[in-house]
Amino acid sequence: GAVVSQHPSRVICKSGTSVKIECRSLDFQATTMFWYRQFPKQSLMLMATSNEGSKATYEQGVEKDKFLINHASLTLSTLTVTSAHPEDSSFYICSAYDGGLTYEQYFGPGTRLTVT
Amino acid sequence: GESVGLHLPTLSVQEGDNSIINCAYSNSASDYFIWYKQESGKGPQFIIDIRSNMDKRQGQRVTVLLNKTVKHLSLQIAATQPGDSAVYFCAEANQAGTALIFGKGTTLSVSS
Repeated sequence: GAVVSQHPSRVICKSGTSVKIECRSLDFQATTMFWYRQFPKQSLMLMATSNEGSKATYEQGVEKDKFLINHASLTLSTLTVTSAHPEDSSFYICSAYDGGLTYEQYFGPGTRLTVT
Repeated sequence: GESVGLHLPTLSVQEGDNSIINCAYSNSASDYFIWYKQESGKGPQFIIDIRSNMDKRQGQRVTVLLNKTVKHLSLQIAATQPGDSAVYFCAEANQAGTALIFGKGTTLSVSS
């Protein structure tokens, strides 16, 4: 089946620094990737939609200059949290869509970000 | 606000019981519904999905029911096992390739 990986799985960074999270589709090409954020005991909230070769579309309330998304290839999207603050600490999850006729998306295992 | 939600936040059952997890959605244009299982610290795991032109779909030990009249979705798990303990989310989409909108989630606890 389709596999999506994320790297790193866990990261701790200091306030004010930037951290990059990678999302890769390992055995298929992803025309679209989605980034979600999940706070403890809450649901997944869509942050942005990323299409290969295009600028990402951000959801209302998500700062595009703070959460930089790059989808440079059909198998890789990156999310960079810039000038991280403790309130950015969260579980970040990506999903990938292969552009087919089905609705199915494939989720990565998530990245736990802790900002100290 | 979220377009999918309204459910019991927790459900506790005994091993071997049948579990029913409910979800209500508000977007009548949604065409696709999916249930995910999420264990602590992991990404969502696909359980079962259903298109809007169906009202029931069965998988292995799981059944999804869709009632478009009242915009209600349910997940039935037969013979619940301790390994089924997790948070369950429903999600919806109105077009292939668009983002999924997630409900709030129900925590299922199975005791043996």
